[in-house]
Amino acid sequence: DVKVTQSSRYLVKRTGEKVFLECVQDMDHENMFWYRQDPGLGLRLIYFSYDVKMKEKGDIPEGYSVSREKKERFSLILESASTNQTSMYLCASSSLAEAFFGQGTRLTVV
Amino acid sequence: QKEVEQDPGPLSVPEGAIVSLNCTYSNSAFQYFMWYRQYSRKGPELLMYTYSSGNKEDGRFTAQVDKSSKYISLFIRDSQPSDSATYLCAMTGNNNDMRFGAGTRLTVKP
Repeated sequence: DVKVTQSSRYLVKRTGEKVFLECVQDMDHENMFWYRQDPGLGLRLIYFSYDVKMKEKGDIPEGYSVSREKKERFSLILESASTNQTSMYLCASSSLAEAFFGQGTRLTVV
Repeated sequence: QKEVEQDPGPLSVPEGAIVSLNCTYSNSAFQYFMWYRQYSRKGPELLMYTYSSGNKEDGRFTAQVDKSSKYISLFIRDSQPSDSATYLCAMTGNNNDMRFGAGTRLTVKP
């Protein structure tokens, strides 16, 4: 059974904190993605990675960074959390067209 | 202009109806066209994907791609209450990114 695992289902952080969201996949996929999902806006691509140590900006990278030191792990970092980063964060990994998603992390920044 | 446009609905149909969901896109580099289904509080799951133009059928679901018009569709025949979910179109091309539409929330009433 293929799996993408996100480290937390729910997180509450304070404004200004540094936040780490972790994602691990067990399918040996090259591509990994971080999205945020907000009502009416669908999934917006923050960053993606097509190989270890490689990263590409998506549509909304401001305020975020990523790290991919190992093929199976892709981390999203909020350098200084702000209230407008309150959202559902979804990690995915893919081989060509077939992407598998984690369960999501609902982050609330207060 | 967003790269992928999808009417967020909501869409409500009676059980047994034929459902038509659509997306348009602007990036002619997209080659793979996918439909994902997302139930409440879950990550999206791949329903089906199509490479380039054409039709693909899987049970009650049919995906159509018209690259000349930059238009894709998903048809659901004999819709069931269990089909009630949010349906997201997605697309990817040679540069490995994956872009999603806003998602259409579908309710099938018994």
